[in-house]
Amino acid sequence: SYELTQSPSVSVSPGQTAVITCSGDALPKKYACWFQQKSGQAPVLVIYDDSVRPSGIPERFSASSSGTVATLTISGAQVEDEADYYCYSTDSSGHERVFGGGTKLTVL
Amino acid sequence: QITLKESGPALVKPTQTLTLTCAFSGFSLNTTGVGVGWIRQPPGKALEWLALIYWDDDKRYSPSLRSRLTITKDTSKNQVLLTMTNVDPLDTATYYCAHRHATGPVYDYWGQGALVTVSS
Repeated sequence: SYELTQSPSVSVSPGQTAVITCSGDALPKKYACWFQQKSGQAPVLVIYDDSVRPSGIPERFSASSSGTVATLTISGAQVEDEADYYCYSTDSSGHERVFGGGTKLTVL
Repeated sequence: QITLKESGPALVKPTQTLTLTCAFSGFSLNTTGVGVGWIRQPPGKALEWLALIYWDDDKRYSPSLRSRLTITKDTSKNQVLLTMTNVDPLDTATYYCAHRHATGPVYDYWGQGALVTVSS
């Protein structure tokens, strides 16, 4: 089965840049998207199609994908950005849809 | 304004069949490109994608759960149903439904989630 791999945790101080990565063999061919999930809440889409930010998502959230790695960058992270972040994509056939294991972002 | 809301039993016994309903508003599953998916999250664990149904009744399932899942839609009631057979305590999770487009924004609107506990 297809897997997306994320590091379990990232920690930054307020104002610093947080970088969260997601690796998967099919990422050169398939779009990745990113979800933010704060404690006790439903996930929120923050990036789709590798790098597109939905309306209402702050500009400090950006993303890119190169080779087998997709990257979410939060420039000038704020305390309210503390959350779990999940990448999502499909395998090369497009049939298997998966989430990564999630990365816990701590901002303090 | 798009909204979704999950409903179903809070407690089911092992081996029983679980049926969850996603009631939505603000969009139609008759609209080309629109889909509704189900995602679950065991307590303290990661999101897991389960199933997806599109406006044209195209259905997709998680390979690992395919034999136990059935997703259907009732466009007249603006509902999507997910049935899971032979549940196990490992199926204890918060179950979410979410709206998506075939292209572009993926799961851009989510329900609040419904916690289902499997226990005897």
